[in-house]
Amino acid sequence: GAVVSQHPSWVICKSGTSVKIECRSLDFQATTMFWYRQFPKQSLMLMATSNEGSKATYEQGVEKDKFLINHASLTLSTLTVTSAHPEDSSFYICSAEQGSYGYTFGSGTRLTVV
Amino acid sequence: GQQLNQSPQSMFIQEGEDVSMNCTSSSIFNTWLWYKQDPGEGPVLLIALYKAGELTSNGRLTAQFGITRKDSFLNISASIPSDVGIYFCAVMNSGGSNYKLTFGKGTLLTVNP
Repeated sequence: GAVVSQHPSWVICKSGTSVKIECRSLDFQATTMFWYRQFPKQSLMLMATSNEGSKATYEQGVEKDKFLINHASLTLSTLTVTSAHPEDSSFYICSAEQGSYGYTFGSGTRLTVV
Repeated sequence: GQQLNQSPQSMFIQEGEDVSMNCTSSSIFNTWLWYKQDPGEGPVLLIALYKAGELTSNGRLTAQFGITRKDSFLNISASIPSDVGIYFCAVMNSGGSNYKLTFGKGTLLTVNP
């Protein structure tokens, strides 16, 4: 079955630093990947849609200069949280679209900014 | 944006009991999905529904796509402790050149052994 690997699974960083999260499709090519954010006891909120070889499409209210997305290959998309602050602490989840097979989600990254 | 109304928000049941949860929307959607999320993990697809009126089963899980295309329900029969988690409904909607998922707020299920 389709597997999406997300790394790291958790990260603690100091306020003001940047953090990069990787999302890889292990056994299929994903032209489109998605990045979500989930606060405790809340639903998944789509942040942006990442298309290989082109600029990401951000949802309304998501700062594209703060959440940098790069989708340089058909198996890898990265999300960089720049100049992180405590309010950026959250659970970040990626998913990859596998054609008619739908969407497979990564296991998420718990970001804590101190 | 689109909003899905998912209920109940949480459920506490005894092992062996059946469970039912549902989602409604003010808009029509052609695809309804049900996911389960374990703590600290990403969601895992349980059932996908593509046709109005469709009733689909996956083991002890059964889901139906409402005939109006504005609602769906998920039933879990004979619950077991490992059914604990958050269940989300989701719909696919067009976002420009891509289809995107919109999630309901989730139903937290607790199963007492």
